[in-house]
Amino acid sequence: DAGITQSPRHKVTETGTPVTLRCHQTENHRYMYWYRQDPGHGLRLIHYSYGVKDTDKGEVSDGYSVSRSKTEDFLLTLESATSSQTSVYFCAISEASGRRYIQYFGAGTRLSVL
Amino acid sequence: GENVEQHPSTLSVQEGDSAVIKCTYSDSASNYFPWYKQELGKRPQLIIDIRSNVGEKKDQRIAVTLNKTAKHFSLHITETQPEDSAVYFCALQTGYSTLTFGKGTMLLVSP
Repeated sequence: DAGITQSPRHKVTETGTPVTLRCHQTENHRYMYWYRQDPGHGLRLIHYSYGVKDTDKGEVSDGYSVSRSKTEDFLLTLESATSSQTSVYFCAISEASGRRYIQYFGAGTRLSVL
Repeated sequence: GENVEQHPSTLSVQEGDSAVIKCTYSDSASNYFPWYKQELGKRPQLIIDIRSNVGEKKDQRIAVTLNKTAKHFSLHITETQPEDSAVYFCALQTGYSTLTFGKGTMLLVSP
């Protein structure tokens, strides 16, 4: 599992409430990613990080923010959750292998916004 | 951003048949093309990948082919088994370390 832990694994929340999802890794990987997965859309990149305090936006970053204050933790925050953010969220890390960056995924967090 | 078209969206085969999933892309600078398998309720897992300087790569019953001129790459599964049933995603490396994924193909292998 590449030493990736996501928490919580399941969460139900109400529209308008803040939500923070945590991704924790134990193998000192530099690159970390947050994706959302929705039927018919595959995996879409929300934000990623290339080091402590270094983050960048992905394809679907609106409504999300991230923080990485230490190498092992990458937090995804929904400041004010909306029903359109109901999804399965996957964290990933990447390992460099030559010029490839192989991504490994966490087990996912299923979020329901009512 | 980069767009990856994946076809078909669903594929049903009989056990023992072959299955082929194809992805097309537009950015000629892409140089790394992985394939992921996701079983129901599980995380996506890398099953095979290919770099742009290689035309084909094989690992037991699965193979990936790449046509850089035509900008498409394909996953081939031979002698399919029920445990091959899953959603398969193609992806390509865009930017320094990011991947763009196709929308997925649900493969159903019937006994």
